[in-house]
Amino acid sequence: DSGVTQTPKHLITATGQRVTLRCSPRSGDLSVYWYQQSLDQGLQFLIQYYNGEERAKGNILERFSAQQFPDLHSELNLSSLELGDSALYFCASSSSNTEAFFGQGTRLTVV
Amino acid sequence: AQSVAQPEDQVNVAEGNPLTVKCTYSVSGNPYLFWYVQYPNRGLQFLLKYITGDNLVKGSYGFEAEFNKSQTSFHLKKPSALVSDSALYFCAVRDPNRGSTLGRLYFGRGTQLTVWP
Repeated sequence: DSGVTQTPKHLITATGQRVTLRCSPRSGDLSVYWYQQSLDQGLQFLIQYYNGEERAKGNILERFSAQQFPDLHSELNLSSLELGDSALYFCASSSSNTEAFFGQGTRLTVV
Repeated sequence: AQSVAQPEDQVNVAEGNPLTVKCTYSVSGNPYLFWYVQYPNRGLQFLLKYITGDNLVKGSYGFEAEFNKSQTSFHLKKPSALVSDSALYFCAVRDPNRGSTLGRLYFGRGTQLTVWP
């Protein structure tokens, strides 16, 4: 168990809908990262938050947004969903400039 | 810009034989390097890291990796492969010069390791 908790584990939704993925980092970790993993794109970095502030942005679509709350948990919001958004979404957290720890992921299926 | 390359999409090896999964990196300055493993429908699990010091680092499940600065490589190795080692392996690099904001990890595309009995 990495200590990073992601909910829900699975999500099935229709095109055009909006969903929210939640991540609770390891206790004390200030930095949270979101990644998308799909078969054809590999592991894609989406966005990073550090202590409530956005720190880095990767290949995140304008339809996607995220935030980190004062208690350090984070949410990734995906809107106007398309079939191509179906993927595994991972959250990771880190407290030092070394390794990050990953959650089990949320498998999103858009139908 | 930081980047990681894993030149092999797949590595196949017989159980009991040594295995190597290759990784090369590009980063300004001294890198922090990592290996992660992913089993089907699971998250990434941290295996080992190189920060500084001895070029040969040992990690979980009998894996080790060798840092080679001149070749900018960080290959993952295991002396004797097990069927249970079959999984997807990712190499990653972090730029340590990002200070307290903890720069992101840059991942390779992954290498699927298959160990057959």
